[in-house]
Amino acid sequence: AQSVTQPDIHITVSEGASLELRCNYSYGATPYLFWYVQSPGQGLQLLLKYFSGDTLVQGIKGFEAEFKRSQSSFNLRKPSVHWSDAAEYFCAVGPANRDDKIIFGKGTRLHILP
Amino acid sequence: SQTIHQWPATLVQPVGSPLSLECTVEGTSNPNLYWYRQAAGRGLQLLFYSVGIGQISSEVPQNLSASRPQDRQFILSSKKLLLSDSGFYLCACLFTGFGSKLFFGSGTQLSVL
Repeated sequence: AQSVTQPDIHITVSEGASLELRCNYSYGATPYLFWYVQSPGQGLQLLLKYFSGDTLVQGIKGFEAEFKRSQSSFNLRKPSVHWSDAAEYFCAVGPANRDDKIIFGKGTRLHILP
Repeated sequence: SQTIHQWPATLVQPVGSPLSLECTVEGTSNPNLYWYRQAAGRGLQLLFYSVGIGQISSEVPQNLSASRPQDRQFILSSKKLLLSDSGFYLCACLFTGFGSKLFFGSGTQLSVL
């Protein structure tokens, strides 16, 4: 069955520290992978996406993610977080085919300490 | 450019009343369309998706329904709302050119009282 797992519900880091948000997936074919960010009361904004090619993907706001097929993972990273990065982050997978679904993880809420 | 219009932004409805949320898409044709719900403190739950006019796949059995009367219009409905229907509803669009991103509407905050 298709699924996306974000094992960390909450993560707290200090401003200026590095960040890694974990995402693992289960999908029948090679999926398309996305990371989205959602600020309180807002819609979702795409940070980055992976479809093929270079497994290290650069996104907006200084974020990057690395696709590791052997580990079925697509972890999101940022070398130095800013207070404005506090938000909820969602990993999503699919569709490999037109009729497939797009599935989201349950999200990781990021808290930033001053 | 692709845009998604979703309305209303907020909605307060009594239990047992009907619901109709509308989503329209511009700048694309024959897109995949999705309805998601985000309950307070929870992730995104896929409710319905559609790959074409009149084609609806339901992911969660419940008192909600969806329709796609036109290529770029996706409607979420209910005949009688329940308290548990409260949440943040998001419409999303993925157009057929694979390799493109999933666009989201701005969402509708539904409160059922």
